[in-house]
Amino acid sequence: GAGVSQTPSNKVTEKGKYVELRCDPISGHTALYWYRQSLGQGPEFLIYFQGTGAADDSGLPNDRFFAVRPEGSVSTLKIQRTERGDSAVYLCASSLNPRLAGGSTDTQYFGPGTRLTVL
Amino acid sequence: AQKITQTQPGMFVQEKEAVTLDCTYDTSDQSYGLFWYKQPSSGEMIFLIYQGSYDEQNATEGRYSLNFQKARKSANLVISASQLGDSAMYFCAMRPSGTYKYIFGTGTRLKVLA
Repeated sequence: GAGVSQTPSNKVTEKGKYVELRCDPISGHTALYWYRQSLGQGPEFLIYFQGTGAADDSGLPNDRFFAVRPEGSVSTLKIQRTERGDSAVYLCASSLNPRLAGGSTDTQYFGPGTRLTVL
Repeated sequence: AQKITQTQPGMFVQEKEAVTLDCTYDTSDQSYGLFWYKQPSSGEMIFLIYQGSYDEQNATEGRYSLNFQKARKSANLVISASQLGDSAMYFCAMRPSGTYKYIFGTGTRLKVLA
């Protein structure tokens, strides 16, 4: 079946502009996650959705970052007034049935990412 | 603080040999999940293997096995019979109790030599 897809694969923008990054999770996966990966680093958590609601947005760096998942499937990460420091690869992941107690259904499956470059 | 440490920034292994990639973690939780991902140059994070903190046996998935030593808080990945296609970045991750987010290490770049 289809994996997680993300569009665009690359986005170049100018400082101060607004960008939207899209994620389409694996069909049937209720949970969706956004991560940011800077060069030479592991991914850093941004936000987690269970269904339509943001269950944990503790990783969003500031109020310029916002994400939505209005119908519980596709999600959009929105960045306002972009800064050069926002340049990174933005990864989306989905999982089937995460439980606080853990288990193999926790496993997050990642998309190919969107490489954002802010000039 | 909860943390994943991967002390090997780069590793080389000869094709067909086995290699161990180190991962230690720091948590006071009793319940947590440990994961390994492979990230080729294409950028996609590929799930390899999962180990639950209460699993008594080490996880295995094909050529991948996880050497889980709970008392030492280590979760090393063992790749047997290395192949050229195994050349990639490898990330260890932990999902702490009470949260759904993963904490990742800084990764190890593996190069398989022909």
